[in-house]
Amino acid sequence: GQQVMQIPQYQHVQEGEDFTTYCNSSTTLSNIQWYKQRPGGHPVFLIQLVKSGEVKKQKRLTFQFGEAKKNSSLHITATQTTDVGTYFCAGPVNAGNMLTFGGGTRLMVKP
Amino acid sequence: DGGITQSPKYLFRKEGQNVTLSCEQNLNHDAMYWYRQDPGQGLRLIYYSQIVNDFQKGDIAEGYSVSREKKESFPLTVTSAQKNPTAFYLCASSARGLLGYTFGSGTRLTVV
Repeated sequence: GQQVMQIPQYQHVQEGEDFTTYCNSSTTLSNIQWYKQRPGGHPVFLIQLVKSGEVKKQKRLTFQFGEAKKNSSLHITATQTTDVGTYFCAGPVNAGNMLTFGGGTRLMVKP
Repeated sequence: DGGITQSPKYLFRKEGQNVTLSCEQNLNHDAMYWYRQDPGQGLRLIYYSQIVNDFQKGDIAEGYSVSREKKESFPLTVTSAQKNPTAFYLCASSARGLLGYTFGSGTRLTVV
């Protein structure tokens, strides 16, 4: 079964509202990565978190890695139409560097 | 500029035909990967290769084959044994110990 779960699957927000997507793994992860895929595009690497409880910020995006290193979240403050896309978390669930991706959260922003 | 090139961008195939998707990278990355993405879905690993002349099956390898004769190239063949090949295929690469995967722009395969 799927080992990396993301919720919600879809999220509609009004421009200016905040947005959060959550990622949970069935196993402890050495790191968690986040990617953004614009409609019709390909995934683009955003960030990697490694340490337990780590929090990183990129402008309006805040990434957090859980204390147990089994969950993570991405929070966007005051969404803009440019934030539209699908956000994926991914982690090396199995041995080796291969990433297992979550199902993604598709963000839609109404102007 | 360094990157990953996938070709073609769109591909149409008749049922029963094999088709090969190209993936070339000039990033000097050791590892390369093939993922399949279905509409509204996540990415599922088909095959991966961590060094030249070696590759491993991913979660959904049935009906697919790969080769890794050169570090820069990791072509994927979708065989007639693949029951439902219509999908978006993404190739990616990564460097040992470095952050993140770099993805190509993908190939959209449609079986007609």
